[in-house]
Amino acid sequence: GQNIDQPTEMTATEGAIVQINCTYQTSGFNGLFWYQQHAGEAPTFLSYNVLDGLEEKGRFSSFLSRSKGYSYLLLKELQMKDSASYLCAVRLNRDDKIIFGKGTRLHILP
Amino acid sequence: DAGITQSPRHKVTETGTPVTLRCHQTENHRYMYWYRQDPGHGLRLIHYSYGVKDTDKGEVSDGYSVSRSKTEDFLLTLESATSSQTSVYFCAISDGTAYEQYFGPGTRLTVT
Repeated sequence: GQNIDQPTEMTATEGAIVQINCTYQTSGFNGLFWYQQHAGEAPTFLSYNVLDGLEEKGRFSSFLSRSKGYSYLLLKELQMKDSASYLCAVRLNRDDKIIFGKGTRLHILP
Repeated sequence: DAGITQSPRHKVTETGTPVTLRCHQTENHRYMYWYRQDPGHGLRLIHYSYGVKDTDKGEVSDGYSVSRSKTEDFLLTLESATSSQTSVYFCAISDGTAYEQYFGPGTRLTVT
């Protein structure tokens, strides 16, 4: 079976930094996505990692270690609008089958 | 924003009735997906398509069927709806090269 684990909830303070971890054990691996989803809305793409290392995009960075089956999303200079769920997803194969973890609900405190 | 729409956006139906949800895209993307999202379960893949008439099962395909007769449309059918199929259904598309999936706005389905 496929297993993608992330913490259910996290809380952080406005202006701070938070790291959301994701571990995966899947039958295949062809890349890892991070998505943001605000309540009542559709998920929106944040980042994609296929090779090991850190990808930086503004306030958000994503890291991947394929040998450890591990990724994290780093959010800097937190803003109230960052309160949302963050979804980790794995592309299993070249036919683009993509499955998701259960998501991490991030609460930002003023 | 990617051109992807879902219809209907909201539906209430009774147990045992057939229901069809439609996903329509204007991006000419090869891959299309149906997910359901429930509290405590996250997004779960129901079925996906890797081309016209080419589909495969996801994690939770029991009770669902799909069809894709043309690139732009991907239909999800519940042959006989059950209360356990009450959920928010998202369609998504990707072209397999841009490394992004774009999601539709979702359909909230309630089975009474």
